[in-house]
Amino acid sequence: NAGVMQNPRHLVRRRGQEARLRCSPMKGHSHVYWYRQLPEEGLKFMVYLQKENIIDESGMPKERFSAEFPKEGPSILRIQQVVRGDSAAYFCASSPQGDEQFFGPGTRLTVL
Amino acid sequence: AQSVTQLGSHVSVSEGALVLLRCNYSSSVPPYLFWYVQYPNQGLQLLLKYTSAATLVKGINGFEAEFKKSETSFHLTKPSAHMSDAAEYFCAVIATGTASKLTFGTGTRLQVTL
Repeated sequence: NAGVMQNPRHLVRRRGQEARLRCSPMKGHSHVYWYRQLPEEGLKFMVYLQKENIIDESGMPKERFSAEFPKEGPSILRIQQVVRGDSAAYFCASSPQGDEQFFGPGTRLTVL
Repeated sequence: AQSVTQLGSHVSVSEGALVLLRCNYSSSVPPYLFWYVQYPNQGLQLLLKYTSAATLVKGINGFEAEFKKSETSFHLTKPSAHMSDAAEYFCAVIATGTASKLTFGTGTRLQVTL
């Protein structure tokens, strides 16, 4: 059973561009979470999704950020018009029933 | 609401010495508690978890943690540190029975010296 997969592992964008981060949960997991880790900080929750539904987006910035988990395919975290402050590691986690979460290797976003 | 506090952002121990990383939690409902380890430029790996069964939880790599309700603590220990234990350690909490977000502490960086 493959673990949580995230791609790309590293992403470089210029200010104003869009960033798309993908997360494929473990097989059989229907709960997906996105977390952001700023340099020298802990992980902060962003959004929790189940298939085709956003359950909790209380950690998402109000603008430029969106997330989806379609019926088919990976979960996508989308950041529009990136700014330097968006530079961080973005981690996805999946869970079979919403308790123990298994983390992917992360996507490290650098905004130039 | 849940929260965790990790005392000490940096801990340094000698190889072979006891490792003690502190975590205190706050939760309005019985919590599930977790310790994760993060090696440089990698994701998080689960070390151990408390889910209301035994209060002393054994994890991977010789780590264990004890849930103490009276002290609202879930400290992580290892009897003898190894160089390979050098990493960042995060304590996290989730409300029991909820498909909910993890709330993480700010992390403790463990340094192991010869």
